[in-house]
Amino acid sequence: DAKTTQPPSMDCAEGRAANLPCNHSTISGNEYVYWYRQIHSQGPQYIIHGLKNNETNEMASLIITEDRKSSTLILPHATLRDTAVYYCIVRVAAEYGNKLVFGAGTILRVKS
Amino acid sequence: GAVVSQHPSWVICKSGTSVKIECRSLDFQATTMFWYRQFPKQSLMLMATSNEGSKATYEQGVEKDKFLINHASLTLSTLTVTSAHPEDSSFYICSAPPVDSGIYEQYFGPGTRLTVT
Repeated sequence: DAKTTQPPSMDCAEGRAANLPCNHSTISGNEYVYWYRQIHSQGPQYIIHGLKNNETNEMASLIITEDRKSSTLILPHATLRDTAVYYCIVRVAAEYGNKLVFGAGTILRVKS
Repeated sequence: GAVVSQHPSWVICKSGTSVKIECRSLDFQATTMFWYRQFPKQSLMLMATSNEGSKATYEQGVEKDKFLINHASLTLSTLTVTSAHPEDSSFYICSAPPVDSGIYEQYFGPGTRLTVT
């Protein structure tokens, strides 16, 4: 699985959009970009995933560059409850039971 | 969404004793479950892959005789920390992908905090 690089921490004002970047320059054609988050002392929570098109769900939007070497997770209106560690993971999605390898992630602090 | 539970949520045990942690998928079946360990201020580290009806697959550096894994059914996997020592104190988390094809996300349990005194 391709390696990802994320900034160690970011701050965001409550109500504003939080944009979390992720670099995955060695991503291969069949690898998906996944985002999970972990609120303190809880298990990780799935947010969104994508291959090459931009994706949106009720939680967030995922913007993937045309060359797929980087992506941005967007939380459109961050709240205090969005304070968490956000993990960007790249892996092949098609195989059932494919394990996730977590990097260091980005600590997002949403401030009032 | 799918729910994964863990029991207990926290446990304190004495050094040298064994502790069993359960991971259950409540509303879906999972032939594979994953066990992670997380130390304070660190990321999740995959320990092993639990396979229903067969032996678990351990990551490099994880002692299989110390961390016993049993995947007894399509909804239950257990992790037993044998002869626990203070350095085994950690947050243990399990995850499971639903059997249904086309569902790519994994669902995580709430974690079990183990403290060995």
